[in-house]
Parts: sequence; C-alpha cells; structure tokens
Amino acid sequence: DAGVTQSPTHLIKTRGQQVTLRCSPKSGHDTVSWYQQALGQGPQFIFQYYEEEERQRGNFPDRFSGHQFPNYSSELNVNALLLGDSALYLCASSLGGFNRPQHFGDGTRLSIL
Amino acid sequence: DAKTTQPTSMDCAEGRAANLPCNHSTISGNEYVYWYRQIHSQGPQYIIHGLKNNETNEMASLIITEDRKSSTLILPHATLRDTAVYYCIVRVAQGGSQGNLIFGKGTKLSVKP
Repeated sequence: DAGVTQSPTHLIKTRGQQVTLRCSPKSGHDTVSWYQQALGQGPQFIFQYYEEEERQRGNFPDRFSGHQFPNYSSELNVNALLLGDSALYLCASSLGGFNRPQHFGDGTRLSIL
Repeated sequence: DAKTTQPTSMDCAEGRAANLPCNHSTISGNEYVYWYRQIHSQGPQYIIHGLKNNETNEMASLIITEDRKSSTLILPHATLRDTAVYYCIVRVAQGGSQGNLIFGKGTKLSVKP
C-alpha cells in the first residue's frame, strides 16, 4: 500500500521563476493539505483541498496556488519565486470527515538561487 | 501560533521509557491532542491522538490529564530509531472540514546507547 508520494524530491530554481510540485495521496484518501517547512522550523500550513476545492488556507500570499484533480492528486504552484521560498514542501493526505489523521510524504526540497 | 508548549530537547537511554510532556492550557472542548514525529530528512509521521481518554497503539501511549491542560507521550521502550523531533499539536476537528495542523518547534528527543 503506497503512502503519500511527492515529486520531484529536489528542485533548484532562480528568483522570479515559477514552480509546480506534485502529490499523490495515500490510497483511499481524498483530502490533501500542503505545508511549508523552513530549516529548523515546524511545518506551516499553506492550504487544504477536498472535492477539488480549496477548503482552508493559511497565511500565505496569492503567489501560492493549488489544484486537486478528480483522482485526488494535487499540485502546488508558486509564482514569482523569492529567496525566502526556499524550504521543504510537504504534502499530507487524509480521509475526509471527522477527526482523521493526516499522513505526510517526505517532501520536495526547493532551493531558490 | 502553536497552542502547545514543549521542552526544546530531551535525552533518553535506549531501552528505557521516554516520557515527552506537552502543555496545552488553552485547549477547547472540541480540540484534540495529536502527536507527530519527524526523523531527519523525512516527513512528519503520525503517532497517536486523543480527546480526553488515555490512548494506546502499537507505537506509543498518550496520557491526557483530567483537566486536559497537559499530556504526556510515552514510548515504552525507546530505541535509537526513535531519535526525532516530536510535535504535540492541538487540532480542531469538525465534521466535513478538517482542522489544519499548527506545528510548534517540538521536542528534540535523543535516544542514547
């Protein structure tokens, strides 16, 4: 039973570029959440998708956007990259509904030069 | 901001029980206590969660005080592989819309031979 998978594992971009990160949820899960983790910090919530709609959003600018597909997979897009966007981006999936644990992938390490 | 307070670091001898404390004095009646851990270079791993009763699974036990203002995660027989950052999280869980996870800085647990 495959867990949450993310691609790519590492990525290097330059300031001003755009990036797309991908996530396949754990089998049977229908809800996907994205988190950003800066070095030495805990993960910070970006947004959550359920039924192909953004349901919740954290304190991130509009440069961060996402999408969920009918097969529940998801993409995170970041435009106009800044040096401060360098971080580990984590995807977590869960089964929608009351009180279900989120299960994380191992993330995409994004470095901005 | 995180609603929990945890010690920055703790040590534990291999084979002994590791007891990780967490304060959540402002917890509300509909908020659950979740524990995750993050081993270096991996995504956070779900451990256990609870509302007010003590909980146990194959990984750990969760002891929540009667007033719910604090809790303790117990790893009964710590191994070197349990060395990780442990996050205690208070999460609102509502039907149809999952509360996101607000991570603090966690406790760095070092298990020593």
